[in-house]
Amino acid sequence: EAQVTQNPRYLITVTGKKLTVTCSQNMNHEYMSWYRQDPGLGLRQIYYSMNVEVTDKGDVPEGYKVSRKEKRNFPLILESPSPNQTSLYFCASSINRVSDEQFFGPGTRLTVL
Amino acid sequence: QQQVKQSPQSLIVQKGGISIINCAYENTAFDYFPWYQQFPGKGPALLIAIRPDVSEKKEGRFTISFNKSAKQFSLHIMDSQPGDSATYFCAANYGQNFVFGPGTRLSVLP
Repeated sequence: EAQVTQNPRYLITVTGKKLTVTCSQNMNHEYMSWYRQDPGLGLRQIYYSMNVEVTDKGDVPEGYKVSRKEKRNFPLILESPSPNQTSLYFCASSINRVSDEQFFGPGTRLTVL
Repeated sequence: QQQVKQSPQSLIVQKGGISIINCAYENTAFDYFPWYQQFPGKGPALLIAIRPDVSEKKEGRFTISFNKSAKQFSLHIMDSQPGDSATYFCAANYGQNFVFGPGTRLSVLP
């Protein structure tokens, strides 16, 4: 089944404790992206990657890091999480451009205490 | 410039009625305008999309109307069904930048 998977689905952590949210797609897509969803703000793009080893900032990259060492994986790293990063996070992928249909993962709900 | 405005914030429609959600943008560089549908506990999924070289696109009960001069586009859901109850996001894209509206929560009453 073609899909985007994220882990964990739910995470409660404390301020300053480094964490990684994994994202993997099995569709051989070149483009991958991370979004955060907050009430009243919709989804905001954090980082995106057009291919292996090619990443760039979205609209809200502060406090986040990403890497793209393999085509299928695009982990989101929070080196020192803060409470304002409490949010619902989505990973998405598309064939080779953001204007292709984006397939979203199921989401990761992160709470930073 | 990067913002996409969306209204209404929430919408309640009777079964069989027409649901209309409106979006507006400022950046004329946007060249792709998709609508995404999100059910509770799920990620968004592409519903329908349009490019600015056409004024309307229809897929089943869903229609996008696009007004390039006014920099506005809207989603019309004909014969709305309870199964259409979800949050709808308009979005706009140029290059590799992707901007979503804040969302509209649609409830279709049986």
